[in-house]
This record gives sequence, structure tokens and C-alpha cells, in this order.
Amino acid sequence: GQNIDQPTEMTATEGAIVQINCTYQTSGFNGLFWYQQHAGEAPTFLSYNVLDGLEEKGRFSSFLSRSKGYSYLLLKELQMKDSASYLCAVDNFNKFYFGSGTKLNVKP
Amino acid sequence: GAVVSQHPSRVICKSGTSVKIECRSLDFQATTMFWYRQFPKQSLMLMATSNEGSKATYEQGVEKDKFLINHASLTLSTLTVTSAHPEDSSFYICSAAGGGLGNEQFFGPGTRLTVL
Repeated sequence: GQNIDQPTEMTATEGAIVQINCTYQTSGFNGLFWYQQHAGEAPTFLSYNVLDGLEEKGRFSSFLSRSKGYSYLLLKELQMKDSASYLCAVDNFNKFYFGSGTKLNVKP
Repeated sequence: GAVVSQHPSRVICKSGTSVKIECRSLDFQATTMFWYRQFPKQSLMLMATSNEGSKATYEQGVEKDKFLINHASLTLSTLTVTSAHPEDSSFYICSAAGGGLGNEQFFGPGTRLTVL
């Protein structure tokens, strides 16, 4: 089976930095995606990691360690609009298996 | 980015009826389309993978006779929920991949199904 774990919910303050972790154990691994999802809407792409290391894209960065089965999404300079669910998804050779999602609450 | 549409966005039906949901890739040819289901406050669960012109591959626990998938062209896949029951009420999301766009999946806006 596929096992992908994320914290259920996190709260952070506007302007701060928050790190959302994702650990995985899957039968195959071709890469890891992070998506943002607002309630009732489709997920939107944030980042993609294939190799170990940090990928930076503006206020968002994502890290991957394949040997540890671990990834994190780092959000800097938090804004109120960043309140959403963040989903990590393992690309198991073109099949995506999603974690349960982390609901991020950004407070003023 | 590539655009994927779904229709309808919202549907309410009576128990026992069948509902068809369409997923279209608008600006690229999708060799593979995926169907997900998302219950409230839960993550996306992959239901099935469909490749154009071939039978869909269903995930364990998903009834293929209940959730009929057709991928007749490179831009259209349909999901038919047959004899829908209240427990089938959920948010159904499709995604599409291929067309030389790497292995990223592009998601449709989702369809909210409510079965009374």
C-alpha cells in the first residue's frame, strides 16, 4: 500500500515562516509534488521535487530527501491568502497518491 | 499552464439514478486522465487511471461496474456514477497528463455530487 503522512492542521502568524512536513512510504517513487487547495476548489500546483535538495520558487520552497522518505514545504512571509490546505503527492510512476493534507490557518 | 475543465460543476440527483461527469483537456492532448474522489476534510483518493482508447485501471476497492470510465479521445474522459446512492455524494476531480508536458497532472475544477 501507499502511506503518506502530513500533520492535520497548523496555525501561523501573518509574516512568519511555516514548514509543512510530509513523510512517505510507497511502492514506487518518481517524484513528489506539493499542491495548494482552497475549500471546494481543485488543487493548484506549487512545486515538484525529483532529486534530493531544496527547490526555491518565490515565497515557497520545497525540500526532498529520497533516502529518508521525507519532504517539506516552506512558506515564507505568510499572507492571509495562504490559508488553505497543502497536499503532498507522490508520483508513483504517473499515479499520484496524496497525503491527507495539512490545513494551514494564517492569523493576523 | 494547461487547462482542464469539468462539467457539470455541481449536480444533485435522486438515489438510483446515474450521473455522468465530463473531463476535458482544453489546450493539450491528454494521453492519461485520472479520476479522484474527495470526501469533506479528506484528501484526494485516486479512483482510476484511464488511457485513451483502452480500459481504465481501477484502484483497489473501487467498483468498476459502479464507476464507469470512458476515455474516447485525447481530450475527453467521462465518469458515470451508476445507480448513485447517498454515500456516493462527494467531490469528484479529474486530472490530465501528457501532451509533452512532463509528468505533472493538471486538475479540473471538480464536480460536487449530491445524491438525495
